Amino acid sequence: DAGVIQSPRHEVTEMGQEVTLRCKPISGHNSLFWYRQTMMRGLELLIYFNNNVPIDDSGMPEDRFSAKMPNASFSTLKIQPSEPRDSAVYFCASSLSSGETQYFGPGTRLLVL
Amino acid sequence: QKEVEQNSGPLSVPEGAIASLNCTYSDRGSQSFFWYRQYSGKSPELIMFIYSNGDKEDGRFTAQLNKASQYVSLLIRDSQPSDSATYLCAVRGGSNYKLTFGKGTLLTVNP
Repeated sequence: DAGVIQSPRHEVTEMGQEVTLRCKPISGHNSLFWYRQTMMRGLELLIYFNNNVPIDDSGMPEDRFSAKMPNASFSTLKIQPSEPRDSAVYFCASSLSSGETQYFGPGTRLLVL
Repeated sequence: QKEVEQNSGPLSVPEGAIASLNCTYSDRGSQSFFWYRQYSGKSPELIMFIYSNGDKEDGRFTAQLNKASQYVSLLIRDSQPSDSATYLCAVRGGSNYKLTFGKGTLLTVNP
């Protein structure tokens, strides 16, 4: 079975540009998580969706970040405008239900120049 | 602020030895505890979870939990070079979805 799919795998952009990260969760999973990983802060939860509905967005750093889940098989994380401090690895994870094991995608390495 | 603390390492052990990885957490209400392994440039993968005080064994891995001391550890017996990775401790509190991760301990197993 395919795992969590993320695209792009690498993104290099210039400050001020819009960045869109994409995620396809494992089929049948109803919980989706976006994480950000940096050396300084480690792995942090940005937002959690359950059945396509955002349940907890308290980790979203600021209004420049937004996330959507229009259907059970697709989610986006958008940064507009991007800043150099947004450079990180962004992971999407999904689980069968909210309390089950979270399976991580391969991540998107974002570099904002 | 709920915190999960790990020694960043690197922890270096010879092949065949026991590697001991430690984690402390601040939230006394924490219910579930997880160990993830992350190879360089890869995503985290779950290797163990533990809910109750005591030890839980799975092959070469043993997770140990002491809720009174707010301490969880992972022992890796007969360490192999393929175990070289960063090990992330994660804690789940009252909510049934939110994991708080430590920054990880880098383990190097030398042949």
